[in-house]
Amino acid sequence: DAGVIQSPRHEVTEMGQEVTLRCKPISGHNSLFWYRQTMMRGLELLIYFNNNVPIDDSGMPEDRFSAKMPNASFSTLKIQPSEPRDSAVYFCASSLGGTWNEKLFFGSGTQLSVL
Amino acid sequence: GESVGLHLPTLSVQEGDNSIINCAYSNSASDYFIWYKQESGKGPQFIIDIRSNMDKRQGQRVTVLLNKTVKHLSLQIAATQPGDSAVYFCAENRRGISSGSARQLTFGSGTQLTVLP
Repeated sequence: DAGVIQSPRHEVTEMGQEVTLRCKPISGHNSLFWYRQTMMRGLELLIYFNNNVPIDDSGMPEDRFSAKMPNASFSTLKIQPSEPRDSAVYFCASSLGGTWNEKLFFGSGTQLSVL
Repeated sequence: GESVGLHLPTLSVQEGDNSIINCAYSNSASDYFIWYKQESGKGPQFIIDIRSNMDKRQGQRVTVLLNKTVKHLSLQIAATQPGDSAVYFCAENRRGISSGSARQLTFGSGTQLTVLP
């Protein structure tokens, strides 16, 4: 079975550019999560969706960050404009969903470097 | 200059010995806990979970112990192998901080396990 698929694996961009990260959750999973991982702050939940609807975006750091889930098999996390402090590994995860949002399955992550 | 960041607790064990990784959680309302393993360059991988109505659960070479009284969780790895070298995270399932938000996993800062030959 294919796990959570993220692209690109690595992204290097210049400050001010738009960055789009992509995620394909595991088929049949109803919840999708975007996390950011840095040495300073560890794993932080940015936003999560249930049945394609954003449920909690309180972790999104600023208006420069936006996330969409147009259908059950695809989500994007966009940063516009990007800044050097956005450099981090961004993980997408999915779960069967429901009230408990248990047992997340993570993708391999996107290593983002903003110069 | 000195770098600033998370100072992960570290644990070094000899290959073949048992490892115990500890985690303190913060919310007494949390009722579901998971241990994840993260190898370098990869995403966190599920190891084992436990609900608050249990105090022990065993998997293959791993055991999780839960002490709700002191809000403490531990992961025991038997006969530690080189492939066990990774960062281990505990996560608790609790209601989010936003009004009306559903339950979500919150991760600890992790422990770096190094297995020595």
